[in-house]
Amino acid sequence: DSGVTQTPKHLITATGQRVTLRCSPRSGDLSVYWYQQSLDQGLQFLIQYYNGEERAKGNILERFSAQQFPDLHSELNLSSLELGDSALYFCASSPLGTSGRADETQYFGPGTRLLVL
Amino acid sequence: AQTVTQSQPEMSVQEAETVTLSCTYDTSENNYYLFWYKQPPSRQMILVIRQEAYKQQNATENRFSVNFQKAAKSFSLKISDSQLGDTAMYFCAFMKHGAAGNKLTFGGGTRVLVKP
Repeated sequence: DSGVTQTPKHLITATGQRVTLRCSPRSGDLSVYWYQQSLDQGLQFLIQYYNGEERAKGNILERFSAQQFPDLHSELNLSSLELGDSALYFCASSPLGTSGRADETQYFGPGTRLLVL
Repeated sequence: AQTVTQSQPEMSVQEAETVTLSCTYDTSENNYYLFWYKQPPSRQMILVIRQEAYKQQNATENRFSVNFQKAAKSFSLKISDSQLGDTAMYFCAFMKHGAAGNKLTFGGGTRVLVKP
């Protein structure tokens, strides 16, 4: 158990819908990362938040958005869903994620499996 | 942009034997981290081992060890005394130091099957 929790574990929805994925980082970790794992794109970085602020952005679609709340949990919002959005979405956390001063290893949650029908 | 390449899509090994997974990466950075993550059938991503680029000594974690060749940009993982529980996908990942974010860049993965 990495200490990172994600809900829900599974999500089945229809095209055009909107869903919210939730992540709670390990205790004390300030950075949260979101990754997408799909068959055709592999594991891709979407976005990083550090202490409530967006730190880095990857290949995240405009239909997707995220935020990190004062209690440090994060939510990933996926809207206008398409079949191709079906994937495993991981959240990871690390202590800082802003420099090399501390342990920057990212620990992953169990993921949310999203199926868009 | 950094790229990570794992040239072996699939490997099999007999229980108790040794298997080595290859990983090469391309970067112009000097300070970075390298990782191996394991993804068993449960799909959980589990950290196996990490290496700081400034450290010349190769990292070791129990039966797992790496061969880090910075000049060659190579980072292979050796699994010794393979166990059935080692059956999984293994991903090599790169992360650079920096205040501009710490994203992981992953290779395509190597599927390892440990046979009894």
